[in-house]
Amino acid sequence: AQSVAQPEDQVNVAEGNPLTVKCTYSVSGNPYLFWYVQYPNRGLQFLLKYITGDNLVKGSYGFEAEFNKSQTSFHLKKPSALVSDSALYFCAVRDRFNAGNNRKLIWGLGTSLAVNP
Amino acid sequence: KAGVTQTPRYLIKTRGQQVTLSCSPISGHRSVSWYQQTPGQGLQFLFEYFSETQRNKGNFPGRFSGRQFSNSRSEMNVSTLELGDSALYLCASSLPPQGDGGVNTEAFFGQGTRLTVV
Repeated sequence: AQSVAQPEDQVNVAEGNPLTVKCTYSVSGNPYLFWYVQYPNRGLQFLLKYITGDNLVKGSYGFEAEFNKSQTSFHLKKPSALVSDSALYFCAVRDRFNAGNNRKLIWGLGTSLAVNP
Repeated sequence: KAGVTQTPRYLIKTRGQQVTLSCSPISGHRSVSWYQQTPGQGLQFLFEYFSETQRNKGNFPGRFSGRQFSNSRSEMNVSTLELGDSALYLCASSLPPQGDGGVNTEAFFGQGTRLTVV
């Protein structure tokens, strides 16, 4: 079965330090991978996606993510965290061979990131 | 360009009642998906509509239904509300399928409707 795991419910990091939010996935074929962020009382905002090509993907607000096929991971990273990065982060995956009636995204449960001043 | 608009933002209903939530997608987007978000379960997929047809459905009881209109606006309805239906309901729109079925397209979310059932 297809699944996404975000092994950490919460990540705490000091402002200015690098941050990593982890995501691992399980799909039958090759994946499309997405990261979204949710600020309090808001909907989700798209951050970045991996489709093909370079394993390092750069996205909004200075975030990047690295696709690692052998480890089936797609960890979100940022070199220097800001207090304003504090939010809920979701990883999602879609099997690229599931089109049409099976194109729904599979979501992780989310990781709460707290950046301390 | 206006984003995804969901109305109402907040709703309080009594157990047993029914409710209708509305979603207006980004102009030009023809695919609309609905999700239920709760603290313990994360995002749970409800259904997806494209060109007024339901294309995908999650594992929710028949009390949850939806539809899409010719202008791509979508509504979801929950009948016979239960306390456990209290959640944030999110709508997401995306571009129409391209090439390999549009599976590489990202979704754009509305701010959600916070439903409280008492």
